[in-house]
Amino acid sequence: EVQLLESGGGLVQPGGSLRLSCAASGFTFSSHAMNWVRQAPGKGLEWVSTISASGGSTYYTDSVKGRFTISRDNSKNTLYLQMSSLRAEDTAVYYCTNYVTSIRYFDYWGQGTLVTVSS
Amino acid sequence: IQLTQSPSSLSASVGDGVTITCRASQGISNYLAWYQQKPGKAPKLLIYAASTLQSGVPSRFSGSGSGTDFTLTISSLQPEDFATYYCQQLNTYPITFGQGTRLEIK
Repeated sequence: EVQLLESGGGLVQPGGSLRLSCAASGFTFSSHAMNWVRQAPGKGLEWVSTISASGGSTYYTDSVKGRFTISRDNSKNTLYLQMSSLRAEDTAVYYCTNYVTSIRYFDYWGQGTLVTVSS
Repeated sequence: IQLTQSPSSLSASVGDGVTITCRASQGISNYLAWYQQKPGKAPKLLIYAASTLQSGVPSRFSGSGSGTDFTLTISSLQPEDFATYYCQQLNTYPITFGQGTRLEIK
């Protein structure tokens, strides 16, 4: 059974930093690109970032470029999102998902971890 | 690429058929997916490549379209179908989602 388990969310002050983790199991993690998608309270889905299977290519939405860094450790089957210079508008549930790049879709999603940026 | 879903909300009854549309601001070939999300839950993939049903998804769900105009159709609504639906384009980065369509029970 595929499982994606996010952790690391919490309350952080504006300007602060946080690192999210996503532990993957049940599939060949090192063969899949991975993503972070977020959802602000009561709002729609927003793609945040994608990393290729090898980690050699990364992509970001404009609003997080220069502040967030996506990375992965294929030896640990774990995806990360390092977030810095956090703003109130980064408050959201953050989901990790896999990415089937050959046909292009996200089929497995974690349960999400809530990040709240507030003083 | 902007995706515009219509309607933003929809009321329907069990057994009704409904259609949700998604229009892209430029052509995206068939790199479009549809997701269903229930309150407090992660999204669930329904359809990818505009018209391919994900394994395990009931056949009352169908998708069509190519280029800029796409539709998601639910042929006979069941109680578990009342949820929010999102389209997503994966043709180019940044990947984008539509604003969502909330399907409510009439």
